[in-house]
Amino acid sequence: ETGVTQTPRHLVMGMTNKKSLKCEQHLGHNAMYWYKQSAKKPLELMFVYSLEERVENNSVPSRFSPECPNSSHLFLHLHTLQPEDSALYLCASSHHNWTSGGGEQFFGPGTRLTVL
Amino acid sequence: AQSVTQPDIHITVSEGASLELRCNYSYGATPYLFWYVQSPGQGLQLLLKYFSGDTLVQGIKGFEAEFKRSQSSFNLRKPSVHWSDAAEYFCAVGAPLGSARQLTFGSGTQLTVLP
Repeated sequence: ETGVTQTPRHLVMGMTNKKSLKCEQHLGHNAMYWYKQSAKKPLELMFVYSLEERVENNSVPSRFSPECPNSSHLFLHLHTLQPEDSALYLCASSHHNWTSGGGEQFFGPGTRLTVL
Repeated sequence: AQSVTQPDIHITVSEGASLELRCNYSYGATPYLFWYVQSPGQGLQLLLKYFSGDTLVQGIKGFEAEFKRSQSSFNLRKPSVHWSDAAEYFCAVGAPLGSARQLTFGSGTQLTVLP
């Protein structure tokens, strides 16, 4: 595997279910991100982990719970979601320090989530 | 706070024609600027980036972008569009966020290519 992978690619869940999204990066990066992409809206940054510590929780509802057990893996735990949470959830990774001239984020293919 | 404006929601061009996608940013310091492309059902792929130096940057797939500080712009160009370029294009500006960096994206420009 190379780059950033996300599983599952598609997920349909009821409002009372609990599920998790998984992201794995094989790029040696040490910062990871969750974004939400809804139709007709800009990408919304949800969570940022740098060096395995949460840096940003961008006013995201508590029904979304991130977990970063190590620098290669990132999870998004979902529970009691609402239909308006249906969206494409994108994971990204980068080097945390841009002084080396990098810093661009590399994205996974996303998980298409539908909440019924 | 930083922001990005992509004034064109949708652009249609004929295959072989030239392309320019507009991007304006707002940021108080020297910006780190990016262009990404997203095909349907896919994640975002980096086309090119600007950090410093030459204001005309070359990217993948024949794209280039020019940074103009006086106009706060970073427009994306391609001299001859191919049908496979049909996709959504996002401009982004980078800024520090604690020990990490965050990207702020524009709303995107959807490109349609006519045969």
